[in-house]
Amino acid sequence: EADIYQTPRYLVIGTGKKITLECSQTMGHDKMYWYQQDPGMELHLIHYSYGVNSTEKGDLSSESTVSRIRTEHFPLTLESARPSHTSQYLCASSELGAGAGNTIYFGEGSWLTVV
Amino acid sequence: AQTVTQSQPEMSVQEAETVTLSCTYDTSENNYYLFWYKQPPSRQMILVIRQEAYKQQNATENRFSVNFQKAAKSFSLKISDSQLGDTAMYFCAFMRERANSKLTFGKGITLSVRP
Repeated sequence: EADIYQTPRYLVIGTGKKITLECSQTMGHDKMYWYQQDPGMELHLIHYSYGVNSTEKGDLSSESTVSRIRTEHFPLTLESARPSHTSQYLCASSELGAGAGNTIYFGEGSWLTVV
Repeated sequence: AQTVTQSQPEMSVQEAETVTLSCTYDTSENNYYLFWYKQPPSRQMILVIRQEAYKQQNATENRFSVNFQKAAKSFSLKISDSQLGDTAMYFCAFMRERANSKLTFGKGITLSVRP
């Protein structure tokens, strides 16, 4: 199994609350990603990072923000949660270079419900 | 831009039988990687198999094998001797062979293995 961890796994919060989803990996990977996935649906890339102090928007627009202060840590924050943010959020990581390091490893996901 | 198409939303197979999941992609790149990922219900997304585009030989991992047709841009997954634990969503994915490349996923297919 990959060494990438997400917390919390499940969370129910009220509208307007601030929430941070944590993601950590112990593989020393430079690249990290956040995907959003509704149940039984495809994955949408919402944020990614090539390394410390690097963050980029993904293919799907998201009101969330991310930071990359340490290599192993890539938290995602929602400043004011809304019911439309209810979804599963998957964190992933991979090595930076092309070649054998291109395999992406996923965390177990964080299920967020905003009521 | 790269696209990945999985046209079958659902499939079902009898335990111990063989099933093939289809995937096509579109790219102008010559060097790239293709992946099949498995996402069991409420569990972690894991890599099933990967294929380097420059390799003519089809990748094989135990009961899982691919039929990679580069000219046709086709990348199907064959599961032999299907097991109940193979029940999951399966995602086909594409990545260019570049350091800043991202993984592009198909919409996924839900596979059910019947006892």
